[in-house]
Amino acid sequence: KNEVEQSPQNLTAQEGEFITINCSYSVGISALHWLQQHPGGGIVSLFMLSSGKKKHGRLIATINIQEKHSSLHITASHPRDSAVYICAVRTPLAYSGGGADGLTFGKGTHLIIQP
Amino acid sequence: SAVISQKPSRDICQRGTSLTIQCQVDSQVTMMFWYRQQPGQSLTLIATANQGSEATYESGFVIDKFPISRPNLTFSTLTVSNMSPEDSSIYLCSVDLYEAFFGQGTRLTVV
Repeated sequence: KNEVEQSPQNLTAQEGEFITINCSYSVGISALHWLQQHPGGGIVSLFMLSSGKKKHGRLIATINIQEKHSSLHITASHPRDSAVYICAVRTPLAYSGGGADGLTFGKGTHLIIQP
Repeated sequence: SAVISQKPSRDICQRGTSLTIQCQVDSQVTMMFWYRQQPGQSLTLIATANQGSEATYESGFVIDKFPISRPNLTFSTLTVSNMSPEDSSIYLCSVDLYEAFFGQGTRLTVV
């Protein structure tokens, strides 16, 4: 089973700061997702990565397949970025040992951006 | 992309009863996923629901407790049966269309 570790668990920063959230996983994957969950519970997909780097607005996501590591960066952070950021991976069944073929989630990073 | 309508959004139920959660997707999808998020925890996969076949359950989850229906390519239900307070969680359905899309979640409290 894939083990997904995120760091930090909690992060409080000032508006405008550059934010980095890290994710590592233990076995090979076919895709990695970065998700955002707001206090109401709704989950929004930010990125899906299988290699390289993606950028959307102030958000940048990178993945290093060899090192089994991904990072999510937020530039010029804003209080509206405050949310839980979750890393999730899809593991091919050959690596996962069977099971139900869904995503495996990290515990999430609770981000608070103070004005 | 996909838009998923999930209902109910929340419910408070008596122990021993059952609750059925519905998810409607605005496009046809092969697989739908059901997840549970216990208080303060991350999401855990319950099962994968394929149209025309029985759901595949993750270790620790069984069909008698969490029966799933998938009558067509746009709809699925998850039932939480014989509920106990330990079942109090957020339940979410999801589809994976390159990106992952989630329903709004059902916040279940069992008293």
